[in-house]
Amino acid sequence: NAGVTQTPKFRVLKTGQSMTLLCAQDMNHEYMYWYRQDPGMGLRLIHYSVGEGTTAKGEVPDGYNVSRLKKQNFLLGLESAAPSQTSVYFCASRRDLNTGELFFGEGSRLTVL
Amino acid sequence: GEDVEQSLFLSVREGDSSVINCTYTDSSSTYLYWYKQEPGAGLQLLTYIFSNMDMKQDQRLTVLLNKKDKHLSLRIADTQTGDSAIYFCAESPDNFNKFYFGSGTKLNVKP
Repeated sequence: NAGVTQTPKFRVLKTGQSMTLLCAQDMNHEYMYWYRQDPGMGLRLIHYSVGEGTTAKGEVPDGYNVSRLKKQNFLLGLESAAPSQTSVYFCASRRDLNTGELFFGEGSRLTVL
Repeated sequence: GEDVEQSLFLSVREGDSSVINCTYTDSSSTYLYWYKQEPGAGLQLLTYIFSNMDMKQDQRLTVLLNKKDKHLSLRIADTQTGDSAIYFCAESPDNFNKFYFGSGTKLNVKP
């Protein structure tokens, strides 16, 4: 019962470095999402995907890129990290059913110095 | 984006009832959700309510929806220390393509 798995769970970057966060789900879900969580601001949607090969922008997409080459994986990339991207990142997925329940990973804590 | 608002903190004593409130902006949302986040973990769906309902009860949880005022509340009866967590309300106004979350209410349950 892996569900939604995020790697890495922790990472420290220097300003200007690049990195990729990997989200993998084993539930055959069509939809996948990347959120960031900041204190007092809740979760904000970065990018999402409605199926393999598709991506779309959310509320705060600047500075991030995503890819969904395989249905089970959704990658979030930071090309040139900035301190403002210090956050906890959550991946989520959902089935294409009526209630829209999201299944979340455990989060990835990223610090940009 | 959508504006979903919650108060940031709530403190109650064990055994009391907790009421967490949320206001949302989009009346077209089909479902409204409550998620629970325990320390160091991701969010888990606690309960949801269909927009044509005004109340839903599930064991110790009662969800009330006032569509006219766009107000959602979550009542936890007989609150336990294990209920200490952050509670998020969320809406999805566009047939589940996107979900908008409030800032979360941190519930602290004192023994």
